[in-house]
Amino acid sequence: DAGVIQSPRHEVTEMGQEVTLRCKPISGHDYLFWYRQTMMRGLELLIYFNNNVPIDDSGMPEDRFSAKMPNASFSTLKIQPSEPRDSAVYFCASSLGRDRVSFAKNIQYFGAGTRLSVL
Amino acid sequence: AQKVTQAQTEISVVEKEDVTLDCVYETRDTTYYLFWYKQPPSGELVFLIRRNSFDEQNEISGRYSWNFQKSTSSFNFTITASQVVDSAVYFCALSENSGYSTLTFGKGTMLLVSP
Repeated sequence: DAGVIQSPRHEVTEMGQEVTLRCKPISGHDYLFWYRQTMMRGLELLIYFNNNVPIDDSGMPEDRFSAKMPNASFSTLKIQPSEPRDSAVYFCASSLGRDRVSFAKNIQYFGAGTRLSVL
Repeated sequence: AQKVTQAQTEISVVEKEDVTLDCVYETRDTTYYLFWYKQPPSGELVFLIRRNSFDEQNEISGRYSWNFQKSTSSFNFTITASQVVDSAVYFCALSENSGYSTLTFGKGTMLLVSP
């Protein structure tokens, strides 16, 4: 089975440009997460969706960031306008939320990440 | 609020040595879940293990083993007979049972295994 697919793997852009990161979750997963990884702050949760609905976007740094999930198989994270401090690795992850039998928290599976460099 | 502390920033060992990565967590929930992920130099995050708070049995998978101790709020990870391919950053993470499925990650421990 295909895992979480992110594109592009690398993005280099100039300050002020719009950047769009894409994610295809694992088929059947009903939770989708966007994380950002930097040396200074580690892995931070930006936003997550349940059944395509944004649940918590409190981690989104500012209004320049927006995320959408138009359907169960696709999500985007957009930065407009981009700034050098946005340079980071952005990860998308998906999960089933909870196990339907044990009700245990399920595992989040991560994509390979998008390395963004804003010059 | 939940918190995960990985006090070891970087560990260097020589191949075949055993190494333990420490993880200490804080949570107010009585039911919670602990995870370890591996991030090799290629950059992806790879799931290694999930442990429920009500299951304190240690787990062994090949050269990997995990020691969960609720009394000390620790979930340590040991690699036996380390190999160069084990070189990676290892993250411990916590998810409380209440609420949704968010993960709180530690800062990670970089493990360097030299030949």
